[in-house]
Amino acid sequence: NAGVTQTPKFQVLKTGQSMTLQCAQDMNHEYMSWYRQDPGMGLRLIHYSVGAGITDQGEVPNGYNVSRSTTEDFPLRLLSAAPSQTSVYFCASSYSGVTGGESTDTQYFGPGTRLTVL
Amino acid sequence: LAKTTQPISMDSYEGQEVNITCSHNNIATNDYITWYQQFPSQGPRFIIQGYKTKVTNEVASLFIPADRKSSTLSLPRVSLSDTAVYYCLGLPSRGSQGNLIFGKGTKLSVKP
Repeated sequence: NAGVTQTPKFQVLKTGQSMTLQCAQDMNHEYMSWYRQDPGMGLRLIHYSVGAGITDQGEVPNGYNVSRSTTEDFPLRLLSAAPSQTSVYFCASSYSGVTGGESTDTQYFGPGTRLTVL
Repeated sequence: LAKTTQPISMDSYEGQEVNITCSHNNIATNDYITWYQQFPSQGPRFIIQGYKTKVTNEVASLFIPADRKSSTLSLPRVSLSDTAVYYCLGLPSRGSQGNLIFGKGTKLSVKP
């Protein structure tokens, strides 16, 4: 299994440009998420999906769109890039279950995309 | 999901035992305490989870007192490669639905 893959690894955009960050997982996980990480801010949840066709907003959704047409893919779209969106973006997938009464939630993260908006 | 509080940073030396304490005063009855580790330029990875008392695996130990208002992640004999950010989260027993809320974590720096 390749796990969670993200493309591209690096991207530079000009203000106002749009682009899509790709995320794919081959573990048949139902849940997928997008986070951004800024220096000193930890990870912040942008959007997440509990299954194909279902998405919801996280802590910082403004300026981003997502869709989930398949279980495997969860692209993140920047509609009109702004310098404030300069960050490292991580995609994650998980299968949340309960075994013997214990939560078995484990999120698997991709390698990240480093985005710079000029 | 439970709100957690951790120290922003900690320093240690190789070979020492490191204990990182997380406060979660409002943890729900069904929440599990879960720790993630993040190395520089990588995404976080799950390291340990527990509900009460003590849990140990090949990476760390997790101590949770009876009142469950705090927990301590213990890393035995740290090495330089343990330098990372460690996140404490409270997860409900049914698991999250991909919507984990990470705080700023504890940045552990291990020195030679």
